[in-house]
Amino acid sequence: QQQVKQSPQSLIVQKGGISIINCAYENTAFDYFPWYQQFPGKGPALLIAIRPDVSEKKEGRFTISFNKSAKQFSLHIMDSQPGDSATYFCAAYGYYGGSQGNLIFGKGTKLSVKP
Amino acid sequence: NAGVMQNPRHLVRRRGQEARLRCSPMKGHSHVYWYRQLPEEGLKFMVYLQKENIIDESGMPKERFSAEFPKEGPSILRIQQVVRGDSAAYFCASSPQADSGNTIYFGEGSWLTVV
Repeated sequence: QQQVKQSPQSLIVQKGGISIINCAYENTAFDYFPWYQQFPGKGPALLIAIRPDVSEKKEGRFTISFNKSAKQFSLHIMDSQPGDSATYFCAAYGYYGGSQGNLIFGKGTKLSVKP
Repeated sequence: NAGVMQNPRHLVRRRGQEARLRCSPMKGHSHVYWYRQLPEEGLKFMVYLQKENIIDESGMPKERFSAEFPKEGPSILRIQQVVRGDSAAYFCASSPQADSGNTIYFGEGSWLTVV
């Protein structure tokens, strides 16, 4: 499977600060890049997503920045809150290597927001 | 996450037994994906199915694992002769159609423990 590389593995941010999580991909066949939020014992929930024809997308406190030439994208959480403490996964969707299209996930970032 | 139903939520099996995990997709969704999540890791694609068809099983282990999505009833992921390494969370996701990475929704997962 094609890789999506995510960093950092864990992140500690003070309440009100900015959380930044980065991802990089290799295959230009990917054409959709979602971020998922997962709380312990729960399934991943779609948070925000972007397509490569857009450089930035903002929804509330969450912003995706996308750099097509560098094949990188990042999630910014503004005014981070303790309730944002969760594991965040970036993903890439597309058709590659004969696949029929599916999501490839990064390994996740465990975010802790300290009060 | 609302709408993709998985059961059982937790399952304990002894080594050598069979595990059957069920997934009912969201209403109107005809595409089902199964992912496996090992502790502290991201989600790994296993298999992609439509009604009565396996579309992509490139992520499925070659032995002991099988999946189906019959015309009637839920999708089933079957693991025969389970081993300790099969202990993981198994997530099902669904979408209404292919080529729609932006509408893939996940269930709450089935946690398999092999003792």
